[in-house]
Amino acid sequence: DAGVTQSPTHLIKTRGQHVTLRCSPISGHKSVSWYQQVLGQGPQFIFQYYEKEERGRGNFPDRFSARQFPNYSSELNVNALLLGDSALYLCASSTIKGGNNEQFFGPGTRLTVL
Amino acid sequence: GQSLEQPSEVTAVEGAIVQINCTYQTSGFYGLSWYQQHDGGAPTFLSYNALDGLEETGRFSSFLSRSDSYGYLLLQELQMKDSASYFCAVPDYQAGTALIFGKGTTLSVSS
Repeated sequence: DAGVTQSPTHLIKTRGQHVTLRCSPISGHKSVSWYQQVLGQGPQFIFQYYEKEERGRGNFPDRFSARQFPNYSSELNVNALLLGDSALYLCASSTIKGGNNEQFFGPGTRLTVL
Repeated sequence: GQSLEQPSEVTAVEGAIVQINCTYQTSGFYGLSWYQQHDGGAPTFLSYNALDGLEETGRFSSFLSRSDSYGYLLLQELQMKDSASYFCAVPDYQAGTALIFGKGTTLSVSS
């Protein structure tokens, strides 16, 4: 079975631009979460979606938005990019119902803002 | 708020045993997870403790003491491939089932 997939793998943008990152969860997983990981830090929660509805939001500005589609794939959008948005953006899927709350992470999208 | 503290770096030699500690402060507690992340890779799930005690999975074990807000990951018979970052994490059920991660411990295994 395919794992979580993300596209693109790498992206270079300039300040002020916007970016759209995409994620396809593991088949059967209805929950998708987005995390930002800057170098040397742990992943920081941005959004979680379940059954196309936002279930949680981390402490990120309104420039960050996301949505989930009927096939449970998801997009993360970031507007008005800042240098500080340079990071690895990770998508994770889960079943929600699992007792161990295991999150399955994709390989990430490395975003560089110049 | 929620916070997790873990050492930033640990070094060890092949074949040794290493323990990575994690202390947490949470508003509500539902369990402690551990994830491994190799350089440039995706975090992968290692273990989850919801109750006090030791959980063993092969060379890796994880321990939890809810009364002490403390847990650790124990790695035995270290191999070079265990060189990676290790993160403890707790679910934040105010945000769905999202995970709050510690800053991570970089483990370097030398021969």
